[in-house]
Amino acid sequence: AQSVAQPEDQVNVAEGNPLTVKCTYSVSGNPYLFWYVQYPNRGLQFLLKYITGDNLVKGSYGFEAEFNKSQTSFHLKKPSALVSDSALYFCAVRALNSGNTPLVFGKGTRLSVIA
Amino acid sequence: DGGITQSPKYLFRKEGQNVTLSCEQNLNHDAMYWYRQDPGQGLRLIYYSQIVNDFQKGDIAEGYSVSREKKESFPLTVTSAQKNPTAFYLCSSTPLTGPGDYGYTFGSGTRLTVV
Repeated sequence: AQSVAQPEDQVNVAEGNPLTVKCTYSVSGNPYLFWYVQYPNRGLQFLLKYITGDNLVKGSYGFEAEFNKSQTSFHLKKPSALVSDSALYFCAVRALNSGNTPLVFGKGTRLSVIA
Repeated sequence: DGGITQSPKYLFRKEGQNVTLSCEQNLNHDAMYWYRQDPGQGLRLIYYSQIVNDFQKGDIAEGYSVSREKKESFPLTVTSAQKNPTAFYLCSSTPLTGPGDYGYTFGSGTRLTVV
């Protein structure tokens, strides 16, 4: 069975500081990993994904994520946070060669960037 | 523009009523998914369909029903058997060949409230 853990319900960071939103996963075989962002009463917006290759993945709005196979982690990072980054962030996983099976999501982490 | 349209944006249901949430996509995607979002619980899978006239139950299918008569449409009915339907409902889709560069696509959601 697949699962995702986002250990922090809330992350607070000052504007201009680096931010990290943590994610660990469990999946049979190789993972297909995603990060999404959600603003209030909106759908999910795709930020980035990891399939294979370079462990550091760059995505939208200056976000990047680091895949660590030994730690089964896929933490989301940004070098300098903006107030507009304040939102709900979801990590998701599925097995890489499982066809179009549904994504399994973590419970989400609310990011608050303080000016 | 291609995308997923969910309607209505807000829906109110009386006790004992069935209601249907619409999800339409013009992306020519094969697979479609319904998720339920509750505060602090992330996204939980209700039903999904990988081809027309076929669908599978997700983790919380009880009290819900779906149909997939057309590739572009995947309506979700919340029946009176669903005792706690108040939630935010999200529809998603992806092509048969996999999520591609933009991940699984999401609609903007329907907020259902029992009155």
